[in-house]
Amino acid sequence: EDQVTQSPEALRLQEGESSSLNCSYTVSGLRGLFWYRQDPGKGPEFLFTLYSAGEEKEKERLKATLTKKESFLHITAPKPEDSATYLCAGRGSGTYKYIFGTGTRLKVLA
Amino acid sequence: DTEVTQTPKHLVMGMTNKKSLKCEQHMGHRAMYWYKQKAKKPPELMFVYSYEKLSINESVPSRFSPECPNSSLLNLHLHALQPEDSALYLCASSQVVSVGTEAFFGQGTRLTVV
Repeated sequence: EDQVTQSPEALRLQEGESSSLNCSYTVSGLRGLFWYRQDPGKGPEFLFTLYSAGEEKEKERLKATLTKKESFLHITAPKPEDSATYLCAGRGSGTYKYIFGTGTRLKVLA
Repeated sequence: DTEVTQTPKHLVMGMTNKKSLKCEQHMGHRAMYWYKQKAKKPPELMFVYSYEKLSINESVPSRFSPECPNSSLLNLHLHALQPEDSALYLCASSQVVSVGTEAFFGQGTRLTVV
């Protein structure tokens, strides 16, 4: 069964304290690994798509990487406005289903 | 433009009411989705439409009835809901291609069943 697992569940950082969020996946015939940011009461906001091991994408303070079993979202020198829940999702071959992890709730303290 | 628009933003309905949630996108996407999300949980897939045809129903109770009138619109008709159906309902859309592409989500409808 396809599965996506994220860790940690929650993370508190001081402003400027860099860290990484983990997304482990077992998705048959992975056709894409996706990262989203979700603010409370809002819909997920698309951040990155990764397709193959070794691929990296960057946007401002965020950098996503992909291996054959995991993806990491690295946050460099975070700011309080980076506080949100970060979701990763995988999509396998022959399906339109996006399998979501349970998310990491990030809180960045000023 | 990567916008998916959902209406209404908030909805309170009684258990005997009938209401509808609406979703619209103009990105030319031919796959559209309904997700349900409870607090502190990930989105849970309900339905997938591909080329206006229902392709996935995740064993959703019949009190939820989806409809895709055309390639830009997706509705979710609600009838005789239970309080446990209270949640954030999310609409999303994506391209229909063999290689996975990202889904774009609307801001959701916060549904409260009383």
